[in-house]
Amino acid sequence: QVQLQESGPGLVKPSETLSLTCTVSGDSINNYYWSWIRQPPGKGLEWIGYIHYSGFTNYNPSLKSRGTISLDTSKNQFSLKLSSVTAADTAVYYCAREGGLTSAPYFEFWGQGTLVTVSS
Amino acid sequence: SYVLTQPPSVSVAPGQTARITCGAANLGTNSVHWFQQKPGQAPVLVVYDDRDRPSGIPERFSGSNSGNTATLTISRVEAGDEADYYCQVWDRSRDHRVFGGGTKLTVL
Repeated sequence: QVQLQESGPGLVKPSETLSLTCTVSGDSINNYYWSWIRQPPGKGLEWIGYIHYSGFTNYNPSLKSRGTISLDTSKNQFSLKLSSVTAADTAVYYCAREGGLTSAPYFEFWGQGTLVTVSS
Repeated sequence: SYVLTQPPSVSVAPGQTARITCGAANLGTNSVHWFQQKPGQAPVLVVYDDRDRPSGIPERFSGSNSGNTATLTISRVEAGDEADYYCQVWDRSRDHRVFGGGTKLTVL
């Protein structure tokens, strides 16, 4: 069974960079697409972006080019960096593995999520 | 950009059928996926590709998609089905993933 676990600081200061890592177990990261999704408190889900195992990335334009997703195949991890954060970036951040390789992609496996608060 | 419209809330009595809709122009030409999220938990995929269920999801959960509307149907609703439900599609023109705003299902 595939398992994902997010890790990283729970508190980030405004204007600084949010950094999170997702550790994957039960599957090789050298397959599939791997995404980050966030959910502000009391609000809905927002797709942040994905990385393909080839290293190709794609992002939600709402981030205004502040996001970077990278892969560390030696550790079976992928990471998210979000720069110039504001209070609006306060959210639970989820990592997920996509399914639907031969059809429309969907989020088949999710991490438990980690709350990141942006505050001074 | 692709926008999916869901009703904010749906209420249903136990044992009845709940129908949660997801709307967009020509949505029937796209594949729709559905997630259930209970408080404090990560979302769980309950229907993918309009009508398929992952293993472990009860047959009470079913989906359909035609025209401008996709529907998640939950038959014989139980108290444990109370949750937020989200639809999701693939915006193939930009290779983006898009969520609906979510619907809170209340079991009366």
